[in-house]
Amino acid sequence: DGGITQSPKYLFRKEGQNVTLSCEQNLNHDAMYWYRQDPGQGLRLIYYSQIVNDFQKGDIAEGYSVSREKKESFPLTVTSAQKNPTAFYLCASSTTGQGPDTQYFGPGTRLTVL
Amino acid sequence: AQSVTQPDIHITVSEGASLELRCNYSYGATPYLFWYVQSPGQGLQLLLKYFSGDTLVQGIKGFEAEFKRSQSSFNLRKPSVHWSDAAEYFCAVGVFYSTLTFGKGTMLLVSP
Repeated sequence: DGGITQSPKYLFRKEGQNVTLSCEQNLNHDAMYWYRQDPGQGLRLIYYSQIVNDFQKGDIAEGYSVSREKKESFPLTVTSAQKNPTAFYLCASSTTGQGPDTQYFGPGTRLTVL
Repeated sequence: AQSVTQPDIHITVSEGASLELRCNYSYGATPYLFWYVQSPGQGLQLLLKYFSGDTLVQGIKGFEAEFKRSQSSFNLRKPSVHWSDAAEYFCAVGVFYSTLTFGKGTMLLVSP
């Protein structure tokens, strides 16, 4: 089955540690996205990538980093510079990232920083 | 600046009653519009989308939405709500060569 996988579903880290969230898709989509979701805040875009080896900052990129070395993978690193990292993180992908693409979402990773 | 507003944070509807969730947007260009649904602790699932053409669009699970350009709205409707419809609903809006902007969501509660 084609889809988007995110792992792990739950992640716990100590304050000051970097942590990497995994996102893999087998939909052959060019574009991939990372969103952060907080209660009552909707989805806010962290980073997106429309092609391998290229990515752009979203609205709340500070304290996060990404890479796009393969079309299928778009890992997100939450660094110690992110002041409030506890949140639900959603990865999505779409065909091209241009025009009226539908974004398809993974199941999410809930990160808790202790 | 582009914006999406979902005026209702929570809505409670009796099972079997009709539902309308509101979405208003502020965009300079002709937008394309989406409604997504999210069950607790899950990802988002696409309900329906509007790009062009007929302004009344049908989606999955018996949902429909109507694009009204004059009112800058894209309200989601369902004629008869089922208990399994209880979830959070997000409206999203975009234009060409831009990323999507999501509303803050409306939580639907279904009472017996």
